[in-house]
Amino acid sequence: GQQLNQSPQSMFIQEGEDVSMNCTSSSIFNTWLWYKQDPGEGPVLLIALYKAGELTSNGRLTAQFGITRKDSFLNISASIPSDVGIYFCAGDLGGPMNRDDKIIFGKGTRLHILP
Amino acid sequence: DAGVTQSPTHLIKTRGQQVTLRCSPKSGHDTVSWYQQALGQGPQFIFQYYEEEERQRGNFPDRFSGHQFPNYSSELNVNALLLGDSALYLCASSMDIRTQYFGPGTRLTVL
Repeated sequence: GQQLNQSPQSMFIQEGEDVSMNCTSSSIFNTWLWYKQDPGEGPVLLIALYKAGELTSNGRLTAQFGITRKDSFLNISASIPSDVGIYFCAGDLGGPMNRDDKIIFGKGTRLHILP
Repeated sequence: DAGVTQSPTHLIKTRGQQVTLRCSPKSGHDTVSWYQQALGQGPQFIFQYYEEEERQRGNFPDRFSGHQFPNYSSELNVNALLLGDSALYLCASSMDIRTQYFGPGTRLTVL
C-alpha cells in the first residue's frame, strides 16, 4: 500500500530559525496536504497542494508539490514558540473535488523550539 | 458556528468489550471520515461516510463499523476490543479535501 516517509522525525531549533521538512513516497499522489497537530487536538490543515510544481504560501509557511508528484516539502520561516507541535504531511489519490478519497498520513515531524 | 465535535473525550474499556464513538460534523458538511491515531503515529484512515453510506474504507477489520445519520452525524463502533485498539480516534468532516476539519478526538484506552 501507499506509504509516506516524513523527515526528519524531530527537530530542535532556536526561535527565529527557519525550518524545513519533507515527505516522500513511492506512489504518485494528486494532492499533498500539510497539517499541524497540537497536544489534545486534532490536526489542522495548513496548506493544500493540487498541481505538480505548485508552490503555495500561508503566512510564514511555504509548501511545494514536487514535480514527480512523489514528494513535497514544508518550510517555516522565522520560527516562533507557537510553531511547536507535530507537522504531518498527507497525500490523497483523488482530485480536489473528489469525494471518493482517503488520505494517507506520514508519521509526523515533531518541532521543538529551544528557549 | 461549532466545529467538529466528538464524544466522549476519553473512554476506558476492557478487552472483548464493544465501544461506540460519536461525531457531529461542522455545519454544512455532509461527509464524515474516521481515523485511528496510535501514539507517536500519524492518523490512519478507517472509513468515510457520505449520504449515510460507507464510501471508502481503509485497511481495518470488520470489527470496525460505522453509521451516518440523516443529520450527517456519525458513529464509529468497535467490537471485541483488543489492546491494540487503544488510540486517539479522530473524526473529520468535509465538503471536499480542501475543507476537511478534524475534531479533537476520543482517547480510547483498552485494558
